Amino acid sequence: EAQVTQNPRYLITVTGKKLTVTCSQNMNHEYMSWYRQDPGLGLRQIYYSMNVEVTDKGDVPEGYKVSRKEKRNFPLILESPSPNQTSLYFCASSLRTDPTYEQYFGPGTRLTVT
Amino acid sequence: SQKIEQNSEALNIQEGKTATLTCNYTNYSPAYLQWYRQDPGRGPVFLLLIRENEKEKRKERLKVTFDTTLKQSLFHITASQPADSATYLCAPEGSGGSYIPTFGRGTSLIVHP
Repeated sequence: EAQVTQNPRYLITVTGKKLTVTCSQNMNHEYMSWYRQDPGLGLRQIYYSMNVEVTDKGDVPEGYKVSRKEKRNFPLILESPSPNQTSLYFCASSLRTDPTYEQYFGPGTRLTVT
Repeated sequence: SQKIEQNSEALNIQEGKTATLTCNYTNYSPAYLQWYRQDPGRGPVFLLLIRENEKEKRKERLKVTFDTTLKQSLFHITASQPADSATYLCAPEGSGGSYIPTFGRGTSLIVHP
């Protein structure tokens, strides 16, 4: 089944404790991205990747890191999480970096930083 | 800078009626616009893409229009059902060379039986 998977789905952590949220897609998609979604603010893009070893900042990259060493994986790293990073995170992928291609979203990761 | 506006107030309608949701954009002219559906706590799901040279696009009970003069897209669901209750997001093509869609905040649709 074609899908985007994220792990973990739920995570409660403490300020400053490094964490990684994994994202994997099995559709051989070129483009992958991370979004956070907060009430009243909608989906905001954190980072995106147009292909292996090609990543760039989105609208809200501060406090986050990403890497794209393999085409299928695009982990999101929070080196020192803070409470303002409490949010619902979505990974998405698309066949091409092209606005005519639909994005496929993962199930989401709900992160709470205390 | 580009701005995408969707009605932040929930739209409440009765089952069987047509729901119409609005997406307005300013300060740029996207060539494409996508619509997504999002259920609570879940990732958005793609519904339709419309191009600037397509005034209207249909898929089953869904219809999308794209008025480049008004800088507006309308999303219609005919014969609405309670199962259509969800948040609907518009995503015009990004501006300034960023070809990836930028999402609006979405409008919640509630269909009452």
